[in-house]
Amino acid sequence: DGGITQSPKYLFRKEGQNVTLSCEQNLNHDAMYWYRQDPGQGLRLIYYSQIVNDFQKGDIAEGYSVSREKKESFPLTVTSAQKNPTAFYLCASSPGTSGSPGELFFGEGSRLTVL
Amino acid sequence: GENVEQHPSTLSVQEGDSAVIKCTYSDSASNYFPWYKQELGKRPQLIIDIRSNVGEKKDQRIAVTLNKTAKHFSLHITETQPEDSAVYFCAASEFHDMRFGAGTRLTVKP
Repeated sequence: DGGITQSPKYLFRKEGQNVTLSCEQNLNHDAMYWYRQDPGQGLRLIYYSQIVNDFQKGDIAEGYSVSREKKESFPLTVTSAQKNPTAFYLCASSPGTSGSPGELFFGEGSRLTVL
Repeated sequence: GENVEQHPSTLSVQEGDSAVIKCTYSDSASNYFPWYKQELGKRPQLIIDIRSNVGEKKDQRIAVTLNKTAKHFSLHITETQPEDSAVYFCAASEFHDMRFGAGTRLTVKP
C-alpha cells in the first residue's frame, strides 16, 4: 500500500526534552516537507528537502532540526529550544525534482503535546 | 519569502449556492497555485491546481482563476453540497518552498 506514514500519531513530552517525529514514504518522491498546523494559522513550513542529503529552512525552522539520509525518510526533531512546540505536525512528499513541486501528498499527522 | 493571504476565514452558504474563496500572494515569481481541502480529522488533499501560464481551470463544480498582474487567485465552488463542508487552503510556490494561506472554513447548510 503506497503512501506516506507518520509516527507516532500522538506524542506527549515534558518540557526540556527533545522528540523526533518519523516520516516515511514509499512513493519514490524526491521532495519531502514538514509543516506545522495551528488553529487559524494554516500550514506553516518548517523544513523541506528536494533531494537526499539536502534540506532548506522554511519560515519557522527555529527550534527544529531534520535529516535526509535516505530518500524514503525525513525525520523531524523538535528540540527543547522550540518555545511553543505543542501543535499538529504534517509531513508531505511530492514527486517534483525541478521547478514547482506539483501535488503534495500528506501523511495523517502527528499531534505533539508538551506537558 | 512568499506570503499568502486568504479570505474569508469562515464562510457559510446554503446548499446549492456558490462559494468563493480568495487568496493573494506576494512573490511575483510564484508559478504554481494549488488548493487543498481538509475534512475534519483528515489530511489535506489536493482538489485543483493552476499554473501561471493559465488564467482559469475547471473541474466539474470547482474552478480556479488566476490574475498574475494583481497577484490573486480564487476558488469557486458551484452548486455546493453538504459534503463540501471542510477547511480549504490555498497555496503558492515557485520551487519547492510551498506556502499556504491560513485557511477558510466552509460550512454548507442543508
